[in-house]
Amino acid sequence: NAGVTQTPKFQVLKTGQSMTLQCAQDMNHNSMYWYRQDPGMGLRLIYYSASEGTTDKGEVPNGYNVSRLNKREFSLRLESAAPSQTSVYFCASMYRAGGGETQYFGPGTRLLVL
Amino acid sequence: SQKIEQNSEALNIQEGKTATLTCNYTNYSPAYLQWYRQDPGRGPVFLLLIRENEKEKRKERLKVTFDTTLKQSLFHITASQPADSATYLCALVRGSTLGRLYFGRGTQLTVWP
Repeated sequence: NAGVTQTPKFQVLKTGQSMTLQCAQDMNHNSMYWYRQDPGMGLRLIYYSASEGTTDKGEVPNGYNVSRLNKREFSLRLESAAPSQTSVYFCASMYRAGGGETQYFGPGTRLLVL
Repeated sequence: SQKIEQNSEALNIQEGKTATLTCNYTNYSPAYLQWYRQDPGRGPVFLLLIRENEKEKRKERLKVTFDTTLKQSLFHITASQPADSATYLCALVRGSTLGRLYFGRGTQLTVWP
């Protein structure tokens, strides 16, 4: 049981390049999330997918797109990277039981845009 | 606007003491509140959840309180150890947007021997 996995771990891009961050979970969770974490800003939600086949914008969706490929996989795409997108990106999936919700996070992808 | 504030960016305490971290919120009606631990270079890990109708929750050396009148949660680590050094994040779930967490910026705790 690997939990939530993310690839790649590190990436350096030039301004204007595109890339896709991959996320997969093996816990059979319905909901999945993409966050970015910047120094002094905390975790901010980019997009989320409440269930397979649905996606919704979070706080900071501009410059990103997502795909919920199947129940396991949720990818984040940067079409034209900008230096402001330099950040650490976390994927999470959610378990809901007993009236509470717990999110399980991946190890993160560290992205530097030059 | 909605705000979640954790009282300080950094807290330093001596081993064996009780660490108390604060999370204040405004303009929310949270259904429940969660605390996460984050170590450097890693993703957050869930610790505890407390619902709006609960006053206190305990798990081993951890205790969380929730005061909806003060709009505040306190997170306590008793008999703290150097291994407790990490950043601790509070997160709210609003009743109107179940499934979405709103995170504070975190408090970095250092426990020195």
